[in-house]
Amino acid sequence: AQKITQTQPGMFVQEKEAVTLDCTYDTSDQSYGLFWYKQPSSGEMIFLIYQGSYDEQNATEGRYSLNFQKARKSANLVISASQLGDSAMYFCAMREGLSGNKLVFGAGTILRVKS
Amino acid sequence: DTGVSQDPRHKITKRGQNVTFRCDPISEHNRLYWYRQTLGQGPEFLTYFQNEAQLEKSRLLSDRFSAERPKGSFSTLEIQRTEQGDSAMYLCASSPGVGQFNEKLFFGSGTQLSVL
Repeated sequence: AQKITQTQPGMFVQEKEAVTLDCTYDTSDQSYGLFWYKQPSSGEMIFLIYQGSYDEQNATEGRYSLNFQKARKSANLVISASQLGDSAMYFCAMREGLSGNKLVFGAGTILRVKS
Repeated sequence: DTGVSQDPRHKITKRGQNVTFRCDPISEHNRLYWYRQTLGQGPEFLTYFQNEAQLEKSRLLSDRFSAERPKGSFSTLEIQRTEQGDSAMYLCASSPGVGQFNEKLFFGSGTQLSVL
C-alpha cells in the first residue's frame, strides 16, 4: 500500500492567490512526522514545513501552512499569496515510528503559477 | 554550512559500464542517505548510514549497487554493469542524526545518470 498519496499530478494557480496541495498518508504508528519539500527545476529538494503527529496546532512557516487532519490522515499544504517562483514540484513525505530513520515520499504535485 | 555536494552533476555511460558517484554531506551530520528519483516520481529510498555504518538498505538496492561511507564522512555509490533502467537522478541527503522526528534531511543537487 502507498504510504503517501498525492492525488493531484498538476495544479495551476493565479499569482497572488492561495492554493492547497493534497497529501494523505497511511500508517499504523501513533508517532510520526510529516514533511513538505519543494523541488524547482534546478533539482535540489528544499524543506518547507514539518508537522508532528502530536502537534495540536497546524504548522506555519511564512506563506506555507499545513492543514493537518489526523483522523482523516491528511496533511495538505497551503501556499498563500502565490508567487511565480513557487512554480515547482512539491513532495509530501513521512517519517514513521520510533525507529523511523528515513523519509518516504509521495509522487509529487507539479504547481504552475500563472501571471 | 556549505550544504550537501554531489559529484558529478551529470554522468552519461554505456550499458554494462561501472559508475561511481560521490556525496559530501554537511560537516558534523552523522546520517547520510541515498535516494533515487525517476522522472515525474518522488525520491525512493536506497540506503542510509549512521556515521560509517550502513544501517538500512532498500530492496531496490540490487547486488549491482554498493555504497560506502569510510570514516563517516563522504560517501560513494557505485553501480556495476549499468542497465538502462538505472537511468535516474541519484540524490544524497544528510541530517544531524540526533533521532528527533522533526529532523529534516538536507539534500544535494543530485547526480543525473543516463545509461545509453
